[in-house]
Amino acid sequence: DAKTTQPPSMDCAEGRAANLPCNHSTISGNEYVYWYRQIHSQGPQYIIHGLKNNETNEMASLIITEDRKSSTLILPHATLRDTAVYYCIVRGNNAGNNRKLIWGLGTSLAVNP
Amino acid sequence: DGGITQSPKYLFRKEGQNVTLSCEQNLNHDAMYWYRQDPGQGLRLIYYSQIVNDFQKGDIAEGYSVSREKKESFPLTVTSAQKNPTAFYLCASSMWGTNEKLFFGSGTQLSVL
Repeated sequence: DAKTTQPPSMDCAEGRAANLPCNHSTISGNEYVYWYRQIHSQGPQYIIHGLKNNETNEMASLIITEDRKSSTLILPHATLRDTAVYYCIVRGNNAGNNRKLIWGLGTSLAVNP
Repeated sequence: DGGITQSPKYLFRKEGQNVTLSCEQNLNHDAMYWYRQDPGQGLRLIYYSQIVNDFQKGDIAEGYSVSREKKESFPLTVTSAQKNPTAFYLCASSMWGTNEKLFFGSGTQLSVL
């Protein structure tokens, strides 16, 4: 599975949109982009995933560039509870590929009042 | 509520002692995983199990052992052979298939006395 590059930290004002970038320039055609987040001293939580089309759910939106080499996770109205480390991970769609995930250090997002 | 439960939240190990971390899930997931998280590093896979009575080593299995006698349970034993056991341990589960997202427990912090 391909590796990803994320900024180590970001700040966002409460109530504003948080846009978290991720580069995955070596992604291959059958690999999906996944986002998880980890609040301090808890386990990571799944947010969203996508292949090439933009995706939206109740937590966030995922925008993937046309060449699929980068993506952006958008939290439309960040709250203090969104303060966490956000992980961008690329995963092949074969069965069992969760065992091959490469977890980097993610982006530490601080939402400020 | 369905979920994955880890216990205890905090655990202390004496020199030469084996300790066992509990992980239980009621999500009817096929696969279960153990990860280790150290400050400044990403999650690293210790062991995973695809089905009952079968498990495979991950990237850092030395000094650890597991069992999978029931679908719901995947305990991890940190043996005395693990010389640097202090870390945050995370258990996760998922279905075994394409694009299956991971569900994590709340973690166990293990420290050496």
